[in-house]
Amino acid sequence: AQKITQTQPGMFVQEKEAVTLDCTYDTSDQSYGLFWYKQPSSGEMIFLIYQGSYDEQNATEGRYSLNFQKARKSANLVISASQLGDSAMYFCAMRISGSARQLTFGSGTQLTVLP
Amino acid sequence: GAVVSQHPSWVICKSGTSVKIECRSLDFQATTMFWYRQFPKQSLMLMATSNEGSKATYEQGVEKDKFLINHASLTLSTLTVTSAHPEDSSFYICSARVPNEGYEQYFGPGTRLTVT
Repeated sequence: AQKITQTQPGMFVQEKEAVTLDCTYDTSDQSYGLFWYKQPSSGEMIFLIYQGSYDEQNATEGRYSLNFQKARKSANLVISASQLGDSAMYFCAMRISGSARQLTFGSGTQLTVLP
Repeated sequence: GAVVSQHPSWVICKSGTSVKIECRSLDFQATTMFWYRQFPKQSLMLMATSNEGSKATYEQGVEKDKFLINHASLTLSTLTVTSAHPEDSSFYICSARVPNEGYEQYFGPGTRLTVT
């Protein structure tokens, strides 16, 4: 069975600074995908970034980058130049290759950006 | 990107009644949809996988007779919470993938259910 661990229940960052949100995972599958989602207080799940297990380069999407260390089984999210609107809950998720391809989520990290 | 809608966005019902939540893929056909439940300040937990034209696959611990899932068309899946109790109060979110198109999973905006 696969498992996602986020060890930081809450994080604070000063506006315009960078922040790293930790995520480790456990799976015996060789083919899998790692996702990061942002959930503001409204509840919607906003897709941020994806990393495939066979991708050799770290994924980047604008201010978001994923620090993928396969041997360590970690997929940390780095947000650069934090903005007040980045304050939200952030979830790391994994999907293994399979027939259904459902996502398994971590417990989440509540990020607060301070002015 | 693809759009998934949910209706209603919030609902209040009395204990013992049933409530139906709809999940629609608006601009694509979804053979598979997923239903998640999220309690306050907790993570999303997969409840079931909804398959068009066949029975849903429920996760361990989820009562299939209480949470009825119907995926009658390629654009609509419904979740019916039967004989609702206050402990069923939660945020219910559905998601769907565009078949044969990449990795992204599209989430609906969620439905907040309160059982009084």
